Amino acid sequence: DTGVSQNPRHKITKRGQNVTFRCDPISEHNRLYWYRQTLGQGPEFLTYFQNEAQLEKSRLLSDRFSAERPKGSFSTLEIQRTEQGDSAMYLCASSLVTRQETQYFGPGTRLLVL
Amino acid sequence: GENVEQHPSTLSVQEGDSAVIKCTYSDSASNYFPWYKQELGKRPQLIIDIRSNVGEKKDQRIAVTLNKTAKHFSLHITETQPEDSAVYFCAASIRDDKIIFGKGTRLHILP
Repeated sequence: DTGVSQNPRHKITKRGQNVTFRCDPISEHNRLYWYRQTLGQGPEFLTYFQNEAQLEKSRLLSDRFSAERPKGSFSTLEIQRTEQGDSAMYLCASSLVTRQETQYFGPGTRLLVL
Repeated sequence: GENVEQHPSTLSVQEGDSAVIKCTYSDSASNYFPWYKQELGKRPQLIIDIRSNVGEKKDQRIAVTLNKTAKHFSLHITETQPEDSAVYFCAASIRDDKIIFGKGTRLHILP
């Protein structure tokens, strides 16, 4: 499968625990995006990388959230001290930065904080 | 920042009829307008997109129109089929940067 992959697909955790998600983009794509989607809503932008550089972070991304893309390939999104409001689907997308390219989404990681 | 409004939130059409979903955006610098289809529990899938240098684009039963002056764009699905039932999201992007999504339209195709 040459598409965007995400692991784990599902995560259940207790409030206050830390969680980490991984995204593997399409191999030649140099841009990687993280979005969050809650039930009945569209995906909301969180942050994105071009290669290993984090270029923008949304105000939605509190200090408890951190994202990395250390080698410009896969990325991780960590949430520290999880809260029930963090329960959502976390989507990753990737694109190729040539002029006007499309973002392709991964299957998402569904997080449930109890 | 960019804001995308989408209407209606729910749409029911008889199989074989057409469906139209409308969106408006706020930032005149937006230059890329993708439409995604999301089935229950699955990832958003791009179905069609349009750039700011064209006014209309068609792909089989799906067409999009863009009016840059009015800052609105629409999705048209003709000859609807049961497999068209899903949630559809419009979106807008500036400089092919982050995508700002609308809240989605749940499309029901009635038998």
